[in-house]
Amino acid sequence: ELKVEQNPLFLSMQEGKNYTIYCNYSTTSDRLYWYRQDPGKSLESLFVLLSNGAVKQEGRLMASLDTKARLSTLHITAAVHDLSATYFCAVEGYALNFGKGTSLLVTP
Amino acid sequence: EAGVAQSPRYKIIEKRQSVAFWCNPISGHATLYWYQQILGQGPKLLIQFQNNGVVDDSQLPKDRFSAERLKGVDSTLKIQPAKLEDSAVYLCASSLDAGTSLETQYFGPGTRLLVL
Repeated sequence: ELKVEQNPLFLSMQEGKNYTIYCNYSTTSDRLYWYRQDPGKSLESLFVLLSNGAVKQEGRLMASLDTKARLSTLHITAAVHDLSATYFCAVEGYALNFGKGTSLLVTP
Repeated sequence: EAGVAQSPRYKIIEKRQSVAFWCNPISGHATLYWYQQILGQGPKLLIQFQNNGVVDDSQLPKDRFSAERLKGVDSTLKIQPAKLEDSAVYLCASSLDAGTSLETQYFGPGTRLLVL
């Protein structure tokens, strides 16, 4: 069974600071997704990482994938309040397996 | 392009009652998914359809949950009878799913179910 672990599960950070969210998974996969979920809303696709070494950036968010280490990171640069949300990584196995999510709160 | 539509958005029922949810995927998307998201957790796949056929329903509690996708477009998910632990958000997603690899899934707004 493919297991996906995210850490931290909760993150409070000040505006302007940098931080990284980690996503580890248990079996080989070449496709990993990052989603954002705002309170009471559905999931919004952020990134699709398709191969080892893949790096994608959108605004203050940058995601990377190391398939050999079975690790993906979501790096936040100079956080702003609008980034407050829950971030999920999801790994493609037979189906899409989600982590528990990282609840991010960016404070002034 | 219209997104994935779901209704109702909220539902409150008592245990042992029945409930049904409806989903309309993005036009042209062959694959449709139903997920259950319990508070504080990531979504868990319940069932996956390819057109109107079931691809995976291994996580669907078949003694109480059923789903269908008639004509390969809209889908309904039913719970009968509901239990307290069924309280969750039920998310519908769809993807183009051309070929053998999963395509990006696009999620609907979800139906929040509370079982009292």
